[in-house]
Order: sequence, then structure tokens, then C-alpha cells
Amino acid sequence: GESVGLHLPTLSVQEGDNSIINCAYSNSASDYFIWYKQESGKGPQFIIDIRSNMDKRQGQRVTVLLNKTVKHLSLQIAATQPGDSAVYFCAENWGAQKLVFGQGTRLTINP
Amino acid sequence: KAGVTQTPRYLIKTRGQQVTLSCSPISGHRSVSWYQQTPGQGLQFLFEYFSETQRNKGNFPGRFSGRQFSNSRSEMNVSTLELGDSALYLCASSSNTIEAFFGQGTRLTVV
Repeated sequence: GESVGLHLPTLSVQEGDNSIINCAYSNSASDYFIWYKQESGKGPQFIIDIRSNMDKRQGQRVTVLLNKTVKHLSLQIAATQPGDSAVYFCAENWGAQKLVFGQGTRLTINP
Repeated sequence: KAGVTQTPRYLIKTRGQQVTLSCSPISGHRSVSWYQQTPGQGLQFLFEYFSETQRNKGNFPGRFSGRQFSNSRSEMNVSTLELGDSALYLCASSSNTIEAFFGQGTRLTVV
């Protein structure tokens, strides 16, 4: 069925460390994948996307890796800051702006 | 540039009633998508409109409906409300590119 799953519901890291959030997806036909960040009381905020013909894309302090062989997506956040505390969702595109979201990983930053 | 605006922010309704939620997309964006977010099911796609036409629909009962106006503003309606319809309803607008911008959502509570 439609599902994009997350490996861990919560992740706790030390401030300054790197964070890696993982995601498994189901639709081999998805042409792009997106990571969103959702802070308490707000809607999801776009972080970075990656097209299916790529295996890596870098942004500011973030890197997304795509492994189509095992249908796996990851988000790496470098030098994690307190402002990175949020729930992170991966999403895959099922066509015409239809996004299928994973369950989310809550990232907590320890001082 | 103003972001996506959803009204109202909070709503309490009684079982059996109906409700209409409103979404004003970012100026120039012609695609509007709706999502339901609950702790149990996560973010689930409801439907997407582009230029007043529904292009895609999720797996929700017919009690959930929507429409889009010529100015791209969109409304969604839920009839015969059930307790399980309590959720955060999110609207996202897009210029038909990968990045979708979400509003802060409407928190619907059905009692």
C-alpha cells in the first residue's frame, strides 16, 4: 500500500554532532523525494529534495542520500543546532503534487 | 510575499455537523493540496487542485470534498463529522514545482 516509513520515531543527539535520519519508501516510480521539517505549532517546512536520477544532493548543512536499490532515503544534518529540534518527515511524490509522507522522526538536541 | 494562509486556526464542532476550511495560497501559485495530520496516521493526502480542477485524490470517504476558485483559493468541506475527523488539516500551495509551501493548519476538534 502507500507508505513511506521511518526507521526510528525519535533521535537524540548532542549539539554540534551530526544527525542522520533514515527513511524507507515504497513506490519505485516516485520521481522525487523530499524532506520536511515540522516545528511545534507550525506546518511542515521544505528542507531539501532529490530527484530519482540522483543519489546525493547537498544543501546548507544538510545532505540527502538516495539508495534506489534498497528504497532508502536519509537526511544528514551537520553540526546540529538547537534550532534543528523538530519532527522530520520524508515524503515521496506519487504524481500531481501528491506526497506520501513517512511517520516522522522527532529530533531532540541535547546541550 | 505572504505565505499560505489557513482559516480558521482552531475549530470545535459536534458530531454530525459539517465544516468548511479555507486556504489562501501564495500569490501566483495555482496548485493547492490538502492533508490531514493525526498522531496515529501521520500526514495523509486528501486531494489536490490545479486551476480549479481536482487532479488527484487520496483514500478518504466522500464526506471529504474540496474545491478551488478562480483566484486559486481553496476550501475543503467535511460533512457528517465523526470523532475520528479530529485532526490538523494542512494546506500546501505550489507553483507546480517540487517545493510545496504549507500553511500553519486548521486544528479541528470534533466532540
